[in-house]
Amino acid sequence: GESVGLHLPTLSVQEGDNSIINCAYSNSASDYFIWYKQESGKGPQFIIDIRSNMDKRQGQRVTVLLNKTVKHLSLQIAATQPGDSAVYFCAERRGYSTLTFGKGTMLLVSP
Amino acid sequence: SAVISQKPSRDICQRGTSLTIQCQVDSQVTMMFWYRQQPGQSLTLIATANQGSEATYESGFVIDKFPISRPNLTFSTLTVSNLSPEDSSIYLCSVEAASNEKLFFGSGTQLSVL
Repeated sequence: GESVGLHLPTLSVQEGDNSIINCAYSNSASDYFIWYKQESGKGPQFIIDIRSNMDKRQGQRVTVLLNKTVKHLSLQIAATQPGDSAVYFCAERRGYSTLTFGKGTMLLVSP
Repeated sequence: SAVISQKPSRDICQRGTSLTIQCQVDSQVTMMFWYRQQPGQSLTLIATANQGSEATYESGFVIDKFPISRPNLTFSTLTVSNLSPEDSSIYLCSVEAASNEKLFFGSGTQLSVL
C-alpha cells in the first residue's frame, strides 16, 4: 500500500536557526498534504497544508515545499524557537480518502 | 476551526475492563474520526464515526473491540473493550474542517492498562 515516511526521526537545532523537516511519500496520486505539530500531552495541531497544484505555500514563519517529481514534502521553520520543540507529522490524502500519517520527526530546539 | 473536547484526558484501567471515551464538538460536523497513537508512533485511523449509521472500521479494527456511537452531529464515543496492556495508547478524536480538508484533533485520551 501507499506510505508516507520521514527521513530523520530527530532534528536538533539552535534557537534562531532555520529548521527543515522532510517527508517522502510513495503515492503519486496524493493531491493534498498537511503538516501537524504535536506537543507532549496534546493532540496534533494543524500547521499548514498544500495541494498538489502548488509547489510552495507560506505561513507565519513556516513554508511547505512540495516536489512532485521526487515525491518529497518539506516543512521549513524560520528562526526556530524553543516553543517549536515538538513532534512534526506529515500527512497525505488522495481525493476523498482518509488521511495517512507519516512516522513523525522530533524537533529539539536548544537555547 | 472546531473546538473539540475529549474526556477523560487520561485513565488507568485494569485488564479485562472497558473504557469509554467521549468527544464533543462545538459545531455540527459530518465526519468524525477516531485515531490511535501507540507510544512513540504515528497516528492510525481506527474508524470513521457516521451519524445515523454504523461506524466504518479500518483494517485490523473490529466493532466488538472498538464499539463507536454517533448519536448526533456534535458527539461521539469510542469504547475500548476487554482491555489488555497492548491497548495502552493515546486515543484521539478528530473532525474534518470541510469535505476533503484538514482534520482538527482533540487533546487525546492517554490510556494505560495494567
